[in-house]
Amino acid sequence: ILNVEQSPQSLHVQEGDSTNFTCSFPSSNFYALHWYRWETAKSPEALFVMTLNGDEKKKGRISATLNTKEGYSYLYIKGSQPEDSATYLCAFVNYGGATNKLIFGTGTLLAVQP
Amino acid sequence: DAGITQSPRHKVTETGTPVTLRCHQTENHRYMYWYRQDPGHGLRLIHYSYGVKDTDKGEVSDGYSVSRSKTEDFLLTLESATSSQTSVYFCAITGTGISTDTQYFGPGTRLTVL
Repeated sequence: ILNVEQSPQSLHVQEGDSTNFTCSFPSSNFYALHWYRWETAKSPEALFVMTLNGDEKKKGRISATLNTKEGYSYLYIKGSQPEDSATYLCAFVNYGGATNKLIFGTGTLLAVQP
Repeated sequence: DAGITQSPRHKVTETGTPVTLRCHQTENHRYMYWYRQDPGHGLRLIHYSYGVKDTDKGEVSDGYSVSRSKTEDFLLTLESATSSQTSVYFCAITGTGISTDTQYFGPGTRLTVL
């Protein structure tokens, strides 16, 4: 069974703080890693899809890095705002697995206090 | 927002009764997925479809069946609901089977089995 772990489970920060969290996945047979943002009472929304070792993606104040050799990805939020409060999910796709079957971590719940 | 609707949005039922959840999309996407979301488990794939009448099992398919008779509709059936199937169910779609393709999620259905 392929396991994707995210840490920490939850995080409380003050507005303006920068923060980061981790997604760990199997380093063998890596194909792709997805990051999603999930606000309460809404649906998950895609942030990034990453495939190459050393890849870095950026969207506004949010960025992500990927290390496929050691099996982790970091998500960074610079200058957190209350509207960043959400659960951040990562999802792993293994090479040789069935088409576009995402294996999700349990997420990191971020709460940004004004 | 991707044109995905789920019905019903909330349902309370009793153990042993059959339940069908519907996912409807207006994007003409080929791939559709059913996930369940439970605390401590993240999103887990139940079944997916890669075309009309073409379906396959995910990691937690026991107790569930699916059907896809039209591109736009993907039905999830609990033949005899059990309390362990109390969960929030999400449908997702994607245009291709490429593992870097983003999945777009519906609003979710909250099912309670008493």
